[in-house]
Formats: sequence, C-alpha cells, structure tokens
Amino acid sequence: GAVVSQHPSRVICKSGTSVKIECRSLDFQATTMFWYRQFPKQSLMLMATSNEGSKATYEQGVEKDKFLINHASLTLSTLTVTSAHPEDSSFYICSARDRGMGSPLHFGNGTRLTVT
Amino acid sequence: GQQLNQSPQSMFIQEGEDVSMNCTSSSIFNTWLWYKQEPGEGPVLLIALYKAGELTSNGRLTAQFGITRKDSFLNISASIPSDVGIYFCAGQLTGSSNTGKLIFGQGTTLQVKP
Repeated sequence: GAVVSQHPSRVICKSGTSVKIECRSLDFQATTMFWYRQFPKQSLMLMATSNEGSKATYEQGVEKDKFLINHASLTLSTLTVTSAHPEDSSFYICSARDRGMGSPLHFGNGTRLTVT
Repeated sequence: GQQLNQSPQSMFIQEGEDVSMNCTSSSIFNTWLWYKQEPGEGPVLLIALYKAGELTSNGRLTAQFGITRKDSFLNISASIPSDVGIYFCAGQLTGSSNTGKLIFGQGTTLQVKP
C-alpha cells in the first residue's frame, strides 16, 4: 500500500530557531501533499496544501511566512517552522495522495515538535 | 473552520461488544473516510466510501456513506483490546478548489476492557 514517510518523528528546539520537517511519498508520486496540525486531545486541522512546482495554499489563519512550505519534487514536501515559539509546539502530520485522484489520503507518522 | 460533528466523544466498552460511532455535517461530501489513530502516530486509513448509500466492510469494521451525503457511520463488531485508539471520520469537500482537502471530526476515543 501507499506509504508516506515523515522525518523527524520528534524534535525539540529553542525559541527563535527554525525547524524543517520532511514528508516523502515512498512508493507513489504526489502532486499534492497536505500539512495538518494536531494539538493534544484535539482533531487534525488542515494548515496548508502543498503543490508540486507552485506555491502552497494556506488555510485561513495560518501564517505563510511562519510556516514555509516547499514541494520541490513529486515525492517530497517540506514544512519549515520559522522563529519557533512555545505555542508552535504541536503534532504536525503530512498526508499525500497518489496521482490518481480517486485514491484516498495516506498519512505520515507525524512529527512531535516541542519548542522550549 | 468547518468541522464534522462526531459522536460519541468517547466509549468504554467490554471486549466482545459491538461499537457504533457516527459523523454528521451540514455540508455535502463526495467522499467519507474513517481513520484510526494511536498515540504518537499518524492516522491510518480504515475504510473509504465514495458513493452515497455505499456500505463497505473491512474485517470486523463496517461503514456507510449516508444517502444525503451529509453523514456516515462506523461499526466495529466483537471488539478486541487492540481496537483501542481514537477513530476519526473525515469528509472530502466537493468542488475542484477543494480537491483532496479533508475535514475531520473531533474523534471518538475507544477503550476496551479485556
């Protein structure tokens, strides 16, 4: 089945630093990937849609200059949390769909970000 | 933002019992998905539904896409301890501008007592 790999699984950083999270589709090509954020005991909230070769589309309320998304190839999207603050601590999850539009989304295993 | 109404919020049941959870929305969806999430991991797809009225099974799991396209339910029969986790429904919005976007329910936390 389709596999989405996310790295790192956990990261701890200091306030003011930037953190990059990678999302890879391992056995399929994904023109579109999605980035979600999940706070403890809450549901997944879509942050942005990452489009290969073009700019990402951000959901309302998500700062594009703070959460930089780069989708440089059909198998890799990166999310960079810039100038991280403690309130950015969360579980970040990416998802991707095979190029066939009828296939369902598969999720990575998530990245636990802790900003101290 | 948009959200699906998922219920119940949590369930604590005895092993062997059947479980039922559902999601409703004021919006129409063209796809309903059910995921299971375990602590510290990403959601894992359980069942995907693509047509109104569709009833699909995956082992002990059965899910249906409501005929109005605004609701879905998931049933788990004869629960076992490894069914423990958080179950999320997710609906995919209609329209080309929403392609691939999922809206998630609040989740149902399931605990199974051996």
